Amino acid sequence: RKEVEQDPGPFNVPEGATVAFNCTYSNSASQSFFWYRQDCRKEPKLLMSVYSSGNEDGRFTAQLNRASQYISLLIRDSKLSDSATYLCVVNEGSSNTGKLIFGQGTTLQVKP
Amino acid sequence: GAGVSQSPSNKVTEKGKDVELRCDPISGHTALYWYRQRLGQGLEFLIYFQGNSAPDKSGLPSDRFSAERTGESVSTLTIQRTQQEDSAVYLCASSLWGLLRYFGPGTRLTVT
Repeated sequence: RKEVEQDPGPFNVPEGATVAFNCTYSNSASQSFFWYRQDCRKEPKLLMSVYSSGNEDGRFTAQLNRASQYISLLIRDSKLSDSATYLCVVNEGSSNTGKLIFGQGTTLQVKP
Repeated sequence: GAGVSQSPSNKVTEKGKDVELRCDPISGHTALYWYRQRLGQGLEFLIYFQGNSAPDKSGLPSDRFSAERTGESVSTLTIQRTQQEDSAVYLCASSLWGLLRYFGPGTRLTVT
């Protein structure tokens, strides 16, 4: 089983749609979680951290379910510019430093 | 301010040759990471430097791969006797504390 699993997609949605991505992780000791965005042939960039209580940043909402070891990202009112690959990222263990494990990514294509 | 920089941006080499990839982290960042991303794949952890601690080399795929870091500055990733399966984008990232990562633009390595 992969340490961080994501549905690779692609998810093809029309502008204005709401889309949700899910991610599961295998290490129950993991403490830190993130979503990164990667545009084609570009480096990944931090989109948002994921907090236990859930958090929102504009049109983006991230949630964490520790019991199920599951993370989600919801994008409301999709824009063409949201087209990218979304990477679920998990800290490997319980320490505050150390390596992050990246999921394979979920590709989103927003169509006009 | 300046971000993470990497050089060269592209490198084409013949199978069996050695290559050196360079990363200049953000000034003052104590942590430096190398990741590899093969075409259409997720990010694969290679190595992690944190201050003066011994590096975490657990992700290096073989003894042909090595990395050095001078103090808290530049890092060099060396691949000896390159193979075609080494073809990938090699990404460097740095952080000051915690788990936020700032990625460089990557070096695209092609082994012919």
